[in-house]
This record gives sequence, C-alpha cells and structure tokens, in this order.
Amino acid sequence: GQQVMQIPQYQHVQEGEDFTTYCNSSTTLSNIQWYKQRPGGHPVFLIQLVKSGEVKKQKRLTFQFGEAKKNSSLHITATQTTDVGTYFCAGHNNAGNMLTFGGGTRLMVKP
Amino acid sequence: GAVVSQHPSRVICKSGTSVKIECRSLDFQATTMFWYRQFPKKSLMLMATSNEGSKATYEQGVEKDKFLINHASLTLSTLTVTSAHPEDSSFYICSARDTTGGYTFGSGTRLTVV
Repeated sequence: GQQVMQIPQYQHVQEGEDFTTYCNSSTTLSNIQWYKQRPGGHPVFLIQLVKSGEVKKQKRLTFQFGEAKKNSSLHITATQTTDVGTYFCAGHNNAGNMLTFGGGTRLMVKP
Repeated sequence: GAVVSQHPSRVICKSGTSVKIECRSLDFQATTMFWYRQFPKKSLMLMATSNEGSKATYEQGVEKDKFLINHASLTLSTLTVTSAHPEDSSFYICSARDTTGGYTFGSGTRLTVV
C-alpha cells in the first residue's frame, strides 16, 4: 500500500534559525496536506497543495509540492518558539478518499 | 471555519468495560468521518472510515468487533471501544472532510484503561 515517509523525525533549532521537513510518498499523490500538532493538542490543518510544482506561502512558512507529485517540503524561516510542535504531511491518493500520514517531524526551538 | 466536536476529551475506565466516543461536525455535513489512533509521539494511524448510513470500512488489523463504529446521521459518528483492555489505552481522534477540502480534526479523546 501507499507509504508516506517524513524526515527528519526530530529537529532542534535555535530561535531564529530556519527549519525544513521533507515528505516522500511511494506513489503519486493527488494532493498533499500539512498539519501542525502542538504538544498535547490535535492536528490542525495548515494547507493543501494540488498542482505539480506548486509553492505556497503562509507568512514564514513555505510549502512546496514536487514536480512528480510524490514529494513535498515545509520550510520555516526564522523559527520562533511558537513554531514548536510536530508537523505532519498527509498524502491523498488517487484511488480513494483517504489520507496517509507521514511519521511527523517534531520541531523544538530553543529561545 | 469548520468545527468538529469530539468528546469526552479524557476517560478512564476499568478493564472489561466499554467506552463510547462521539464526534460531531458542528456547521457542516460529513458523509464520511475518519477515526485515528495515535500512540505517544507517533503518527496518526487510520483505524476506520465511517460512512453515514452504511457499514464502516476498517483498516487491516483493526478488529471490527472491538471498535464499533456507528454513523447514524450526517453530523454524528461514534466509536465504541468494547471490553477495553490496558493495551487499548491511546489517543483517539476523529476527522471529517470539510468544505475547503481539508480535514478538520476533533480535539481527541485520551483513553486510559486501568
């Protein structure tokens, strides 16, 4: 079945440094979504990418969908302590109405 | 925006008892809802897809008789953990696809079986 791999698992950064998490799918995706889960909280939808090569920005966050629609990345510029949490990608396959989640990247920011 | 209400948020039950978790879409209709389980510091694992008016679709390895799902209306899905045991202790989260195409999650239920 479809697998979605996400790296790194953990990332410690100093406040102000940049951060990137990468997501790779074993199959072509119809779209990819990104979520943020704060410690003790539930996943919150951030964004959805649909088109090949698509790039979207939300303030300091930049999301990219690969040309082959099998990989994606989330880049945070100048991290802040409020960025702490686990970032999940989730790929929506072409066959069904279902998301497969990556393992998540846990971001820790030192003030 | 879309809101999915899930309760209870926390429940502690004795081994052998059953626990029902409710998930409601408050301002939109959800013909399909999804139930996930999340172990500490792990990703979300899809357990089953709940379809309004029909039987739920379970993922491989998930016991249908243990995790009963009912989706009786367009705004309510329930997950009942029957004869719970300590290994069922986990964080259970529901989600529904909202009108934006994203998936709105409930706030989750932390189940502890003692």
